[in-house]
Amino acid sequence: SQQGEEDPQALSIQEGENATMNCSYKTSINNLQWYRQNSGRGLVHLILIRSNEREKHSGRLRVTLDTSKKSSSLLITASRAADTASYFCATDLEEGNEKLTFGTGTRLTIIP
Amino acid sequence: GAGVSQSPSNKVTEKGKDVELRCDPISGHTALYWYRQSLGQGLEFLIYFQGNSAPDKSGLPSDRFSAERTGGSVSTLTIQRTQQEDSAVYLCASSPPPRGRNQPQHFGDGTRLSIL
Repeated sequence: SQQGEEDPQALSIQEGENATMNCSYKTSINNLQWYRQNSGRGLVHLILIRSNEREKHSGRLRVTLDTSKKSSSLLITASRAADTASYFCATDLEEGNEKLTFGTGTRLTIIP
Repeated sequence: GAGVSQSPSNKVTEKGKDVELRCDPISGHTALYWYRQSLGQGLEFLIYFQGNSAPDKSGLPSDRFSAERTGGSVSTLTIQRTQQEDSAVYLCASSPPPRGRNQPQHFGDGTRLSIL
C-alpha cells in the first residue's frame, strides 16, 4: 500500500492564486520530499524537508511538516501556467534504506 | 550536464515476449532506482542498487522481473514473458553518494511499455 496519500487528487485554480496540496503518511520518516511531474516526463525534485524541520521555503514554494500528525503541505504562491503538473510527496522511512515511497499525487491545473 | 537517460522511450511488444529496459544514471551517482508508474497513478518501487551492496529487490512484483547493474553504472530491467498488466511507464532514478541519507533523486523520462 502507498505510504503517502496526497489530497486533493486534483486541483484547478486561476493563475495568480495560491495552490495548497497536502500529504499524509503512515510511519516514522527520516525526511520528506516533494516532486513535480510534467506530462510524459520524469519527476523533478522540488524540495526536501528533514524530520526535525517544521517549515522550509524555496522561491514560491513553502513546505511544512507536522510529524505528530504525519502530514506535510506544499504551498505554491502566485501560481503560473507553467506550474501545471502532478505533484508527489515521497518519504524516506526512518527504519530502512534510502529508497523513497511515493504518494498518489495531486494533479494541479493552472487556468490562464 | 547529462541527466539520467532511459531507452527506449517507447516499447510496444506482444504478450509473452521478453523486454529489456535500459538506464544510464548520472555519472558518479552510486544509487540507482527503478519504479513503475501505471496510468494516472503514483510510483511503485521495484528495485534499488547502492554501490556494491546487495540490491533491495523487495518491490519486484514477480519472478518475471529482474534487474542488473553492471560496473556500478548502467542498469537493465528485464521483464520475461510479458503480460498485459505489465503495461506502464518504467522510471529510473539515480542519486549521489549518501550524505546523511538526505539526497534527492534524479529521474529519467521513463520507458512507456505497452503490451498488446
